[in-house]
Amino acid sequence: DIVMTQSPDSLAVSLGERATINCKSSQSVLYSSNNKNYLAWYQQKPGQSPKLLIYWASTRESGVPDRFSGSGSGTDFTLTISSLQAADVAVYYCQQYYSNSYTFGQGTKLEIK
Amino acid sequence: EVQLLESGGGLVQPGGSLRLSCAASGFTFSIYTMNWVRQAPGKGLEWVSGIKGSDSSTYYADSVKGRFTISRDNSRNTLYLQMNSLRAEDTAVYYCAKDRWMDYWGQGTLVTVSS
Repeated sequence: DIVMTQSPDSLAVSLGERATINCKSSQSVLYSSNNKNYLAWYQQKPGQSPKLLIYWASTRESGVPDRFSGSGSGTDFTLTISSLQAADVAVYYCQQYYSNSYTFGQGTKLEIK
Repeated sequence: EVQLLESGGGLVQPGGSLRLSCAASGFTFSIYTMNWVRQAPGKGLEWVSGIKGSDSSTYYADSVKGRFTISRDNSRNTLYLQMNSLRAEDTAVYYCAKDRWMDYWGQGTLVTVSS
């Protein structure tokens, strides 16, 4: 199975500042035939179901604020929140869908400093 | 509007069985991969199983292989998860989720395995 490792496990950022979460896969999730990275990012707030933010590593889901962006390729990926808002306090997960057995990262808890 | 509504959770003894259902609406159910994802209390997300829309091929996490069976009834727009030989470590909220990048999730159903 592809192992997804996120860093850091937790992060405290001041309001209005940039937050960066990293995700590393144990093998490449870039499919050479279509040059797409099979990587998604999710946000989960307490007591809620997860919400899709980003797919294909950098495509923002409809309705997601443009302060959220995804980047990276191959095995190394980043979720960036350009200007942290109070509503962004949550746990964030990456997920690969390159193999038929999908896997999630362990999660990164984002708090306000 | 896409909706996913899970049901069937509850308290079951170790070694017991339970069948979860996920009723889908608002999209063409038959063409999409559907998944079960679980979350143990205070823990992260764990993908459990998936079933393709194209040919109903099934896939499982190693932790449930041989004990859980995923299936779908496209005529009823419903996804199922048959869970046998349940263990304490299967205690979790079970979500159904649509597509490979999971763009829609249900509200979850709690499964508690305890004597």
